[in-house]
Amino acid sequence: NAGVMQNPRHLVRRRGQEARLRCSPMKGHSHVYWYRQLPEEGLKFMVYLQKENIIDESGMPKERFSAEFPKEGPSILRIQQVVRGDSAAYFCASSPNLSGANVLTFGAGSRLTVL
Amino acid sequence: DQQVKQNSPSLSVQEGRISILNCDYTNSMFDYFLWYKKYPAEGPTFLISISSIKDKNEDGRFTVFLNKSAKHLSLHIVPSQPGDSAVYFCAALEGADGLTFGKGTHLIIQP
Repeated sequence: NAGVMQNPRHLVRRRGQEARLRCSPMKGHSHVYWYRQLPEEGLKFMVYLQKENIIDESGMPKERFSAEFPKEGPSILRIQQVVRGDSAAYFCASSPNLSGANVLTFGAGSRLTVL
Repeated sequence: DQQVKQNSPSLSVQEGRISILNCDYTNSMFDYFLWYKKYPAEGPTFLISISSIKDKNEDGRFTVFLNKSAKHLSLHIVPSQPGDSAVYFCAALEGADGLTFGKGTHLIIQP
């Protein structure tokens, strides 16, 4: 029973390029959360999704960032026109249901480096 | 404005002794608190949690204490072992919102 799978583990982009991070939740989990950890910081909530629905995106920057969780396939966090300040570790977590936010299972993270 | 604060970036404890990690919060609406442990290059893993209606929860070597009037919680690890060396994140939950994390405390267990 695989855990939360994130890929790529490491991604290097030049300023202005696009970054796409993928997350496959645990089997049986239908709720996905994205968190970002900047250097020397804790994890910051970005967005919470269910299949085909964005439930809470209050932590997402207003521009350049978007997330989706299609009916089929992984959840994708997309960052357009990356800047150096986007360099961070992006963690995905999943839970089985709405009340399961307190039993999040995290993936190993995707580390984005913007040159 | 940080709603969950871990004021000690690092803590060094001798093997076999007690490790006490502290966490303060400002949002009185938080109703659930969790501790996560994180090794380098891995995602956080859930360690222990406590509901706001309790003041103590124990699981093996790990005990979490909650003082609601002081808006303070702490994680006790006893006895500390080398494998406990990691970054520990305090996190809080309000309803069905996403978790709010502290910045973490790097615990170093010395032999």
